[in-house]
Amino acid sequence: ILNVEQSPQSLHVQEGDSTNFTCSFPSSNFYALHWYRWETAKSPEALFVMTLNGDEKKKGRISATLNTKEGYSYLYIKGSQPEDSATYLCASGGGSEKLVFGKGTKLTVNP
Amino acid sequence: GAVVSQHPSRVICKSGTSVKIECRSLDFQATTMFWYRQFPKKSLMLMATSNEGSKATYEQGVEKDKFLINHASLTLSTLTVTSAHPEDSSFYICSASYNRDGVYNEQFFGPGTRLTVL
Repeated sequence: ILNVEQSPQSLHVQEGDSTNFTCSFPSSNFYALHWYRWETAKSPEALFVMTLNGDEKKKGRISATLNTKEGYSYLYIKGSQPEDSATYLCASGGGSEKLVFGKGTKLTVNP
Repeated sequence: GAVVSQHPSRVICKSGTSVKIECRSLDFQATTMFWYRQFPKKSLMLMATSNEGSKATYEQGVEKDKFLINHASLTLSTLTVTSAHPEDSSFYICSASYNRDGVYNEQFFGPGTRLTVL
């Protein structure tokens, strides 16, 4: 059974601060690493899917990196805004393998 | 694109009754749908995977006779919680994906259903 861990569990930042969170996962039999953004009462929204060691992806102020050899991924948010407040989930797997999720990092951005 | 709806968003029922939750892919044909459950302060846990027209594959520890899954069309899957008990109270969420020439496709999630069994 895969164990996907995310830290921190929750985070409060001020508007304009930059922040980052961590997702760690078993590096053996790696297929893909997914980041989702989940706002309350909405569907989890896919942010990134990364498959190759060293991958870096960016969408606006949000970016992510992947290290498959050591089994971790970082999600960065530059200049946080209140609308970035959400729970950020990571999951390992996909394809013919099931997705295994971490518990998420709940981000609150205070105006 | 790739919108998945789920109905109802919230349901409260009495112990012993059955509850049906629908998951629909609105703008694509979902060859595979997934059902997850999330208990408070826990991760989303996969319950079962269903492919259109075939029986669902259940994860270890998930009772197939209690959680009935039907994937009758490429846009609809249903999860029926039979004879619900308070310990079945949880957040249930579905996702859908499609196969395209063997290319990996991500899962698109519905907004979830909060089930409370009294």
